[in-house]
Amino acid sequence: KQEVTQIPAALSVPEGENLVLNCSFTDSAIYNLQWFRQDPGKGLTSLLLIQSSQREQTSGRLNASLDKSSGRSTLYIAASQPGDSATYLCAVRDGGSEKLVFGKGTKLTVNP
Amino acid sequence: SAVISQKPSRDICQRGTSLTIQCQVDSQVTMMFWYRQQPGQSLTLIATANQGSEATYESGFVIDKFPISRPNLTFSTLTVSNMSPEDSSIYLCSVEGDLYEQYFGPGTRLTVT
Repeated sequence: KQEVTQIPAALSVPEGENLVLNCSFTDSAIYNLQWFRQDPGKGLTSLLLIQSSQREQTSGRLNASLDKSSGRSTLYIAASQPGDSATYLCAVRDGGSEKLVFGKGTKLTVNP
Repeated sequence: SAVISQKPSRDICQRGTSLTIQCQVDSQVTMMFWYRQQPGQSLTLIATANQGSEATYESGFVIDKFPISRPNLTFSTLTVSNMSPEDSSIYLCSVEGDLYEQYFGPGTRLTVT
């Protein structure tokens, strides 16, 4: 059964710092991996989608990498801003069930 | 990308009552998904709704508790029936776009007292 783990569960950084969020998954048979942002009490906003054949994707200050063989992905946020404060969720589309499996998220706080 | 709206955005309901959540998409889609996010937890898939057929429920979720309608390719409803405080959650609908990218609605925050 696919399991997704995100470390750390919470992270607090000063504004301007570069940071890395980690996501690991137990079964490397995935179709893709997606990073989301969730503001308190709200829905999910898609940030980046990485197909299983890709190594990384970039959007603005965000860069996501995927190492499928080791079951790991990282989300790099450059020059963090207070507006980046949110919970970041990682999800993989499992190759067996074809369903999205979510991690519990990393709650990021960027302090001005 | 897809733009998804949900109604209501939040509600406070009494134990034993039912609430119907609506989900509207700005384009026609084959499948719509309903998720639950309990406090402090990640998302759990409730069911997949295809237009013109019965919804497919995940283990632990049953049609009597979470009936779903899918009358057309842009709309779906999820009803939470005979509610208890354990049903207090955020309920989200989602759709798939190109390359299996998943898009989510803003969620419905339900509190059961």
